[in-house]
Amino acid sequence: DAGVIQSPRHEVTEMGQEVTLRCKPISGHDYLFWYRQTMMRGLELLIYFNNNVPIDDSGMPEDRFSAKMPNASFSTLKIQPSEPRDSAVYFCASSSWGGEKLFFGSGTQLSVL
Amino acid sequence: AQSVSQHNHHVILSEAASLELGCNYSYGGTVNLFWYVQYPGQHLQLLLKYFSGDPLVKGIKGFEAEFIKSKFSFNLRKPSVQWSDTAEYFCAVNAVLEGNEKLTFGTGTRLTIIP
Repeated sequence: DAGVIQSPRHEVTEMGQEVTLRCKPISGHDYLFWYRQTMMRGLELLIYFNNNVPIDDSGMPEDRFSAKMPNASFSTLKIQPSEPRDSAVYFCASSSWGGEKLFFGSGTQLSVL
Repeated sequence: AQSVSQHNHHVILSEAASLELGCNYSYGGTVNLFWYVQYPGQHLQLLLKYFSGDPLVKGIKGFEAEFIKSKFSFNLRKPSVQWSDTAEYFCAVNAVLEGNEKLTFGTGTRLTIIP
């Protein structure tokens, strides 16, 4: 298996633009997590899905953020409109059983100018 | 809700020095505990985990961690570090009674090993 695949690796955009981050989990994994990493706050859980259903989105910063998982092999995290304070590395991770062992993607480095 | 504190933000050591990175968690019930590592240019990977049993757990690359329930701690140790241990280390916890699903990470400790 290729592991968790995220795209793009880097995204540079201007304030106010829509940003869409993509994730393909490991086949057979029932859980998918979106994390955001910043210097100040470390790794923050934004939202996670179980069997494509959002279970906990309490970490989503505000209404500008939304996430979907239309099927078992694909998820998106969308920011609309983007702001400079959204600049961070966004990680997607998947696991076969809850939070036991997460397999992380390589992350998307987002820069909002 | 559970939370994790890593008080050392950046640690610099010489090769062969001993390492201990602190991790404290906040949760009144039963927890599972983890250390993840992120080497430069790579994604996070599991270093070791504690679920139950012997509170001293051993992981990859000579790392170990000790769960001390009375102190709510799960410190990471290595007796003799190598230059290749340069990485960022994250402690994480999930709450057993809340379904094990949500893994909460600390802010991470950046470890720099000087040759």
